Amino acid sequence: GESVGLHLPTLSVQEGDNSIINCAYSNSASDYFIWYKQESGKGPQFIIDIRSNMDKRQGQRVTVLLNKTVKHLSLQIAATQPGDSAVYFCAERPPGQNFVFGPGTRLSVLP
Amino acid sequence: NAGVTQTPKFQVLKTGQSMTLQCAQDMNHEYMSWYRQDPGMGLRLIHYSVGAGITDQGEVPNGYNVSRSTTEDFPLRLLSAAPSQTSVYFCASRRQKNTEAFFGQGTRLTVV
Repeated sequence: GESVGLHLPTLSVQEGDNSIINCAYSNSASDYFIWYKQESGKGPQFIIDIRSNMDKRQGQRVTVLLNKTVKHLSLQIAATQPGDSAVYFCAERPPGQNFVFGPGTRLSVLP
Repeated sequence: NAGVTQTPKFQVLKTGQSMTLQCAQDMNHEYMSWYRQDPGMGLRLIHYSVGAGITDQGEVPNGYNVSRSTTEDFPLRLLSAAPSQTSVYFCASRRQKNTEAFFGQGTRLTVV
């Protein structure tokens, strides 16, 4: 289930289950979105991206869904593994502007 | 190919001290940027550069300077450190402005 930690919302899932991490973005004109994964003590790493002319994009074990109507982005991770434990955050790119990053969600994978 | 390299990894400064955070990339990326990461907040852009000799301010530039004399290096200078600058700093590079970022490992800075 979800809980609010000291600073970040936390999603706890059982190993092997699917995870869904959500992101509400702010600018309806944003045309490009990226999901990053940040492990403890490391820099963020690119996971997957999607452009606004798409509503779904799949990678290896990950799927990103874009709902422009409600300005919502989600990251689905299939068969979650212990190595997936990290903070996940989305970034949106408003036209002509720099990327805007969300605060992130901490994913905790339970054995 | 080391990607983006930041030094140091950790630093403690006294209020009023100055220092430079180093960032180097070996991917021949034109676009580089500095972010700070604070608890509960998204990455915030401090300064960025679209190529050697060109720099611009981001969302939170006050108290920081940058220069870009080469494509590879993009140092961030704190002129007179303040406790409000306690944060984790990330350098990133991109092939172009509107592509995914490659981040360094970060510098954890504490100002006392």
